[in-house]
Amino acid sequence: AQTVTQSQPEMSVQEAETVTLSCTYDTSESDYYLFWYKQPPSRQMILVIRQEAYKQQNATENRFSVNFQKAAKSFSLKISDSQLGDAAMYFCAYRSTSGTYKYIFGTGTRLKVLA
Amino acid sequence: GAVVSQHPSWVICKSGTSVKIECRSLDFQATTMFWYRQFPKQSLMLMATSNEGSKATYEQGVEKDKFLINHASLTLSTLTVTSAHPEDSSFYICSARTLRGRTYNEQFFGPGTRLTVL
Repeated sequence: AQTVTQSQPEMSVQEAETVTLSCTYDTSESDYYLFWYKQPPSRQMILVIRQEAYKQQNATENRFSVNFQKAAKSFSLKISDSQLGDAAMYFCAYRSTSGTYKYIFGTGTRLKVLA
Repeated sequence: GAVVSQHPSWVICKSGTSVKIECRSLDFQATTMFWYRQFPKQSLMLMATSNEGSKATYEQGVEKDKFLINHASLTLSTLTVTSAHPEDSSFYICSARTLRGRTYNEQFFGPGTRLTVL
């Protein structure tokens, strides 16, 4: 069975600085998808970024980028130029490319942005 | 595109009553929807996978007779919490799997429903 681990329950970053959130996973599959979701106080899940495992190039979306290390089963999220609106819970998620397509979520990291 | 709604956004009920939560995919058809439960400061816990026209698949430890799921159409799934008790108080989130374009097989999440059982 697949597992997703986020070892940082809480992180803080100064506004305009850069922060990296960690995520590791375990799987025996060779093809899969990885996601980072943001959950602000409204609790609406917002997709931040996705990574397809068969693509070696790291995904980027504006200020958000990932460091995907397939062999190490690591998938970290880097937030550059942090803004107050980035404060939220961040969840890492894994999805197979077959079967039920259900997501496996990590336990989350609460990000605080300091003004 | 790919908007998912939930109704109601919050509900308060008395112990012993049943509560129905609706999940709708507004601009796409979803053969599969998922129901999650989230306790404060915790992650999303998958409760069940809802498939249109067939029985839901429940995760281990989830009481299927307590959490009734119906996916009667390609845009609507309902979760009914039967004989609710205070320990059922939680935040319930649904998601719908899309089969279109770049987001093929991705889940889009509803805004959630906060259930409080008195």
